[in-house]
Amino acid sequence: GAVVSQHPSWVICKSGTSVKIECRSLDFQATTMFWYRQFPKQSLMLMATSNEGSKATYEQGVEKDKFLINHASLTLSTLTVTSAHPEDSSFYICSARGRAARGEQFFGPGTRLTVL
Amino acid sequence: GENVEQHPSTLSVQEGDSAVIKCTYSDSASNYFPWYKQELGKRPQLIIDIRSNVGEKKDQRIAVTLNKTAKHFSLHITETQPEDSAVYFCAATRDRGSGNTPLVFGKGTRLSVIA
Repeated sequence: GAVVSQHPSWVICKSGTSVKIECRSLDFQATTMFWYRQFPKQSLMLMATSNEGSKATYEQGVEKDKFLINHASLTLSTLTVTSAHPEDSSFYICSARGRAARGEQFFGPGTRLTVL
Repeated sequence: GENVEQHPSTLSVQEGDSAVIKCTYSDSASNYFPWYKQELGKRPQLIIDIRSNVGEKKDQRIAVTLNKTAKHFSLHITETQPEDSAVYFCAATRDRGSGNTPLVFGKGTRLSVIA
């Protein structure tokens, strides 16, 4: 099946620093990648939709200047949390969809971000 | 936009009993309905999905039913086992073939199977 990796799996950083999370599709070309945030005991909340070679589409309430998304190739998308604060601590999960997929998304293993 | 409601939020069943989780959606154009199982700290795993051109789909102990008229779909797990304990999410989307429409998730159901 389709495999999506994420790196790092967990990160602890100081308040005010920036953190980059990578999402890679390992065995297929991901025309679209999605970034979600999940707080403890809550559902996945879509942050943005990223298409290769174009700007990401952010959901209402998500600051595009704070959460920078780059989808430079068909196998890699990155999410950079800029000037992170404790309230940004969360589980960030990406998913990817290829050209052949009919709705199905393949999820990465997630990145747990803790901001001190 | 699409809105997905999921019930119940928690469900406890005895091992061997059946579990049913129900979801409703608002967008009549939605045509793809997956169910995910998520264990603590792990990624959501697709366990079964259904498209709008069928009413029911089964895979061993798991089945999903879809009622397009009423705009609801349900997950049925029979002969539950302790390893079925997890959080289950339903989702819906309008798949137009372009691949860029996101899934909209329900709030999740925490299933506990008691041995």
